Amino acid sequence: QLQLVESGGGVVQPGGSLRLSCAASGFTFSNHGMHWVRQAPGKGLEWVAFIWYNGANKYYKKSVEGRFSISRDNSKNTLYLQMNSLRPEDTAVYYCAKDPCSSNTCYSDFWGQGTLVTVSS
Amino acid sequence: EIVLTQSPDFQSVTPMEKVTITCRASQSIGSTLHWYQQKPDQSPKLLVKYASQSISGVPSRFSGSGSGTDFTLTINSLEAEDAATYYCHQSSSLPYTFGQGTKLEIK
Repeated sequence: QLQLVESGGGVVQPGGSLRLSCAASGFTFSNHGMHWVRQAPGKGLEWVAFIWYNGANKYYKKSVEGRFSISRDNSKNTLYLQMNSLRPEDTAVYYCAKDPCSSNTCYSDFWGQGTLVTVSS
Repeated sequence: EIVLTQSPDFQSVTPMEKVTITCRASQSIGSTLHWYQQKPDQSPKLLVKYASQSISGVPSRFSGSGSGTDFTLTINSLEAEDAATYYCHQSSSLPYTFGQGTKLEIK
């Protein structure tokens, strides 16, 4: 069955870096666009980034553009989110989510369980 | 950025009741509006795609309607397991956005 397993979260100081991973299984990962969506503690959902099935195009929320980088390794069925220059307001659970489409965004039809990132001194 | 405004923010309802949650977009988004359910300590689950299209495995009591700027999620004959927060989400244009959420409490 479909599985998305995020990892790499933790506690980091402001200005620090983290790389999140999302291991996919149960579907043909290389055929699907992928999203990162975050949720601050007790708050709503916030879209962060999207990458095409082949990595050719990437899109970001304005507040993370230039600091975060989404990428994928289709040979390893893994999605990544490199997060640099982290700020306290980046504290959230980060979810990876599968898009049923390959390039242009459709929607997120399956989500992982999330990984918590805490930015604090 | 397209802003999605849900109402109400919170609703306390009894089992078997019919519930309606609305989502208004700040500009027309056609039918590129989707609904998700998130139960406590769980990840979101897709309920309805493209405003009114049903999802395999989702109970038939969940339905969506609307187009343009005004959308509705309807839950017929509410069950105790429907206690959750519900979010609308647009994929019409970047940045993709979510509504602020509607929390349903079951009395």
